[in-house]
Amino acid sequence: QKEVEQNSGPLSVPEGAIASLNCTYSDRVSQSFFWYRQYSGKSPELIMSIYSNGDKEDGRFTAQLNKASQYVSLLIRDSQPSDSATYLCAVKKYYIPTFGRGTSLIVHP
Amino acid sequence: DTAVSQTPKYLVTQMGNDKSIKCEQNLGHDTMYWYKQDSKKFLKIMFSYNNKELIINETVPNRFSPKSPDKAHLNLHINSLELGDSAVYFCASSQDGQALGYSYEQYFGPGTRLTVT
Repeated sequence: QKEVEQNSGPLSVPEGAIASLNCTYSDRVSQSFFWYRQYSGKSPELIMSIYSNGDKEDGRFTAQLNKASQYVSLLIRDSQPSDSATYLCAVKKYYIPTFGRGTSLIVHP
Repeated sequence: DTAVSQTPKYLVTQMGNDKSIKCEQNLGHDTMYWYKQDSKKFLKIMFSYNNKELIINETVPNRFSPKSPDKAHLNLHINSLELGDSAVYFCASSQDGQALGYSYEQYFGPGTRLTVT
């Protein structure tokens, strides 16, 4: 059974801090890695995709991938209350996606 | 213009009924998916079609039957609805083919909240 593991949280950080979300995966042949944000009652929306080892930055978001350790993370700088949501890690091999159970992030003013 | 749309948004029905959920994408993507998200928020894949061909068929009751009339549409029909079918069902699409290489991100529809009473 191919798995994607995330700490369910909630992860609580103060406004302006860095939020660090982590994800591990079991299938070494995984090719593509994604972070989605899901607000309560809404559908998942893509934040970041990363395909190769290292860091990828987009605005306040940085995704980090370490295929040797089978680990992918998402850093959110200058966290805002509007970042409060569930963050889903997704791993794909070819067209087959596997989602983690998500980490709940709470950013308090 | 909505990229991935689903109808209906809400569906309330009684046990034993048969219902369908429709999904359409206008992104020109080759692959479409159905997911079930339960009350614990776990997003579980059910089916996937690539160019009208079934490519993922996870372990779900055979009361659930997907149908793809063309690559822009993927419908989900559910027979003999049960209480445990109550959940939010998401449709998604991605620009994936069956060839090896990158696997692309998915775009999700707004979801259909199914309540079985």
